[in-house]
Amino acid sequence: LAKTTQPISMDSYEGQEVNITCSHNNIATNDYITWYQQFPSQGPRFIIQGYKTKVTNEVASLFIPADRKSSTLSLPRVSLSDTAVYYCLVGDRISNFGNEKLTFGTGTRLTIIP
Amino acid sequence: DADVTQTPRNRITKTGKRIMLECSQTKGHDRMYWYRQDPGLGLRLIYYSFDVKDINKGEISDGYSVSRQAQAKFSLSLESAIPNQTALYFCATSDRPRTSYNEQFFGPGTRLTVL
Repeated sequence: LAKTTQPISMDSYEGQEVNITCSHNNIATNDYITWYQQFPSQGPRFIIQGYKTKVTNEVASLFIPADRKSSTLSLPRVSLSDTAVYYCLVGDRISNFGNEKLTFGTGTRLTIIP
Repeated sequence: DADVTQTPRNRITKTGKRIMLECSQTKGHDRMYWYRQDPGLGLRLIYYSFDVKDINKGEISDGYSVSRQAQAKFSLSLESAIPNQTALYFCATSDRPRTSYNEQFFGPGTRLTVL
């Protein structure tokens, strides 16, 4: 399984764009990159997933360079409600009968300051 | 109603007691998972199941057992609870990877305290 490394914590002011970078140097060809968000005392919630280049949805954007050894989650114009822990996961997307072990590391604790 | 429910939401028990945590889902997903989360740490996979007849150990299965009673139900048991099993436990589900998204849906969690 590809190991991921992300900052332990980040602070940002409301209205700013926040970028959280994740390193995954030994990512495999079949691996996808997925980000989850977790609020205190709640289960994680899927934010975005991608394989290469750029993916954008209504919540965030995910930038993946050509070598795929890192990825950046971008949150536009954050608000206080974006204060949460963000997890970067790398794993094989497709495996009907094989393992599907997505490892949640310690994540990045993002604190939004008023 | 929530798609993934867990019961109980909070439980305090004593060392040596047997305890069962239950998870039910209405999403119609084949795959179900149990994780534990310790304060300040990420989630660690305990067991997972791809269908009713399939049970697999995760990275920290020692001291735990599971039962997949039906597609919609996946229970986690602690046969003899010990204090270091005090944690927040999450159940999750996912569909077969028919699309490009491999999203897991998490329940609200069960906070377990073993005294």
